[in-house]
Amino acid sequence: DGGITQSPKYLFRKEGQNVTLSCEQNLNHDAMYWYRQDPGQGLRLIYYSQIVNDFQKGDIAEGYSVSREKKESFPLTVTSAQKNPTAFYLCASSSGQGARETQYFGPGTRLLVL
Amino acid sequence: KQEVTQIPAALSVPEGENLVLNCSFTDSAIYNLQWFRQDPGKGLTSLLLIQSSQREQTSGRLNASLDKSSGRSTLYIAASQPGDSATYLCAVTRGSQGNLIFGKGTKLSVKP
Repeated sequence: DGGITQSPKYLFRKEGQNVTLSCEQNLNHDAMYWYRQDPGQGLRLIYYSQIVNDFQKGDIAEGYSVSREKKESFPLTVTSAQKNPTAFYLCASSSGQGARETQYFGPGTRLLVL
Repeated sequence: KQEVTQIPAALSVPEGENLVLNCSFTDSAIYNLQWFRQDPGKGLTSLLLIQSSQREQTSGRLNASLDKSSGRSTLYIAASQPGDSATYLCAVTRGSQGNLIFGKGTKLSVKP
């Protein structure tokens, strides 16, 4: 059953703590994306990756980091430098044709600050 | 800077009604436009993708149109059902790498 999985569903962060959100896909897609969604707001792009071992900053990359060591995995780390991390985080992927293809989304991770 | 606006922000209709959701964008240089559905607390489900060279796409009771020159798209839902209740998001593709710019969505409620 192909798709995108994100874990955990809920994540709690303490002050000064780094946390990592997992995103895995078995669609054999080359491109992967991370978005942040705040209440009443549209999704905003954090980071994206077109191929393994390469990634670029999106519109709101400050306080976040990513890695792309495997084609199927694109984890997002929310660092202590991100002062307002509470949000719904969505991972997406698309085939290697970039702009022409549909993006498929995972179920999301909700990050809350203790 | 590309901006995407969706009107109305919320819409409530009785079951069976046909309805139109609107999306506008400020820069007509887009690769494509996508409509998504989001249920509360869930991820996004792709509904329709319209390439920049196309005028419309249809899937079942859904029909989306695109007018690049005027910077507008509409999503038409025929014979609405309570199961259509969700937030509908419009997004345009910026650049060749597929980065999406989203509107804030229209929250649709279909009453039985």
